Amino acid sequence: GQQVMQIPQYQHVQEGEDFTTYCNSSTTLSNIQWYKQRPGGHPVFLIQLVKSGEVKKQKRLTFQFGEAKKNSSLHITATQTTDVGTYFCAGTTSGTYKYIFGTGTRLKVLA
Amino acid sequence: ETGVTQTPRHLVMGMTNKKSLKCEQHLGHNAMYWYKQSAKKPLELMFVYSLEERVENNSVPSRFSPECPNSSHLFLHLHTLQPEDSALYLCASSAGQGTYGYTFGSGTRLTVV
Repeated sequence: GQQVMQIPQYQHVQEGEDFTTYCNSSTTLSNIQWYKQRPGGHPVFLIQLVKSGEVKKQKRLTFQFGEAKKNSSLHITATQTTDVGTYFCAGTTSGTYKYIFGTGTRLKVLA
Repeated sequence: ETGVTQTPRHLVMGMTNKKSLKCEQHLGHNAMYWYKQSAKKPLELMFVYSLEERVENNSVPSRFSPECPNSSHLFLHLHTLQPEDSALYLCASSAGQGTYGYTFGSGTRLTVV
């Protein structure tokens, strides 16, 4: 079945350093979403990417969808302590209701 | 508040008990979902309802029984659970299927003893 893997599983960074998490799907996706879950919280929708090669920015966050629509990345510039949490990608294939969530990357930011 | 409210926040139940989880959304969304989140596992889709009709049952054991009486409410009825069913159960809603972001509730932390 379809699988969505994320690397790394964990990342500790010093405040001010950059951070990137990568999402890889075993199948071609129609679109991909990114979510953030703070410790003890619930996933919160960040963004959706639809087009091949698409790049979107939200302040210090840059999201990219691969040309083949099988991978994606989230890059955070100059991390802050408020960026702490687990970042999930979730992808779906055409014509399905199912979003398959990735394994997540847990980010810890050291002040 | 996210617009999706789940109750109770915490639940401890014995393996022979029957309990229900409740989810309510006030966003005007027409699709609702149950997800299971266990430690060290990805979020697992359990059920999808679109316009009150179940459109997905992701091979979930029959001890979990969903109910969607209207587009604003979703229930998950639990009976004869196992300790490995202990997890965070998340409800979500979206404006449609496939191309809309989910709004998640705060979840119910379930412990089966």
